[in-house]
Amino acid sequence: GQNIDQPTEMTATEGAIVQINCTYQTSGFNGLFWYQQHAGEAPTFLSYNVLDGLEEKGRFSSFLSRSKGYSYLLLKELQMKDSASYLCAEGHSNYQLIWGAGTKLIIKP
Amino acid sequence: DGGITQSPKYLFRKEGQNVTLSCEQNLNHDAMYWYRQDPGQGLRLIYYSQIVNDFQKGDIAEGYSVSREKKESFPLTVTSAQKNPTAFYLCATKPLYPASEQFFGPGTRLTVL
Repeated sequence: GQNIDQPTEMTATEGAIVQINCTYQTSGFNGLFWYQQHAGEAPTFLSYNVLDGLEEKGRFSSFLSRSKGYSYLLLKELQMKDSASYLCAEGHSNYQLIWGAGTKLIIKP
Repeated sequence: DGGITQSPKYLFRKEGQNVTLSCEQNLNHDAMYWYRQDPGQGLRLIYYSQIVNDFQKGDIAEGYSVSREKKESFPLTVTSAQKNPTAFYLCATKPLYPASEQFFGPGTRLTVL
């Protein structure tokens, strides 16, 4: 199948850390992407993992385990502007992306 | 000013009318994609194109048509055969090599009355 699973909604507190998980079950794997999407706007690219391990980019980090079909996005020092949907997408060798439904992250003061 | 343009940002049409959404890019990317997004849902692929004069159906191509006569342009026509056309439409581009992310235009919100 081509299921990408991620939680529908998460809530966190300003200044805290939150981890958004994503699992995938497909063949032809060609990397795992994370995008941020604010309401009413287009998605913007956050990170890309093709090898196992942790990729760190400022306050955001992304982790991949290919053997487990698992990735997570870690957001540190949360700010109110981080309130958005976070989309997990699996890359395929035919240049397509298979998208999860997104996780809506709500940040509370 | 480089990037991807989609116009207009908001579009209203009467039921039964065809409507064409534009997508133009000056990034020199080979691949272009059209997605549809409904409230609270992820992106669903309508059509994609990897080279000029060639395109493939995505998961939900019924009721839509595209053309790729120029590398820079990939217009999407929403026909009257599309049963539920009201949605947020996103155009994306990507270079074929090296491996990279897809880049998105600002989107067009289509409302059919």
